[in-house]
Amino acid sequence: DVKVTQSSRYLVKRTGEKVFLECVQDMDHENMFWYRQDPGLGLRLIYFSYDVKMKEKGDIPEGYSVSREKKERFSLILESASTNQTSMYLCASRHRGHGNEQFFGPGTRLTVL
Amino acid sequence: AQTVTQSQPEMSVQEAETVTLSCTYDTSESDYYLFWYKQPPSRQMILVIRQEAYKQQNATENRFSVNFQKAAKSFSLKISDSQLGDAAMYFCAYRSASGATNKLIFGTGTLLAVQP
Repeated sequence: DVKVTQSSRYLVKRTGEKVFLECVQDMDHENMFWYRQDPGLGLRLIYFSYDVKMKEKGDIPEGYSVSREKKERFSLILESASTNQTSMYLCASRHRGHGNEQFFGPGTRLTVL
Repeated sequence: AQTVTQSQPEMSVQEAETVTLSCTYDTSESDYYLFWYKQPPSRQMILVIRQEAYKQQNATENRFSVNFQKAAKSFSLKISDSQLGDAAMYFCAYRSASGATNKLIFGTGTLLAVQP
């Protein structure tokens, strides 16, 4: 079974803190993605990565950065957390190829106080 | 730019009945993929069904089937013999089949409740 894991299910941070969200997949997928999910807005793409050390901005990259030093790991970084970044964050991965299934992690619910 | 619209924020169905979730999309492309994903409460999102735009035949997966109307840009999901475990948020999604675009574009979701 494909497995996508995220470092935390729930996280509470203070405004201004630097926050790291980690995602690991075990199926040698080239492509990895970070989304945020908010009620009434669906899933919005923050950043994605085609391969190691490659990254591209998604639809809402402001306030976020990413790192992909190894193929299996894709990190989302909030340089200075703000209350409007309180959300559910979902990681996903898949093999390259437009029709391939995308597999999701369980999500991290981040609260910024 | 492509968009995906799910006009039903919430739906309800009786156990063993049939329900249809609506999805429309907007694109100028002719080749693409459409997906329905299911997100149960507090559980991981999983793929329910996938449709290739070049295929005229509607995809089916056990109790799940789609009605794909390419000209109308409509992609509805039908769940037959609904079960309590079908209760979840359902997302419709689009992905281009050409170019460098690699992104899934999601609708806003439909929350399905199943009544016993």
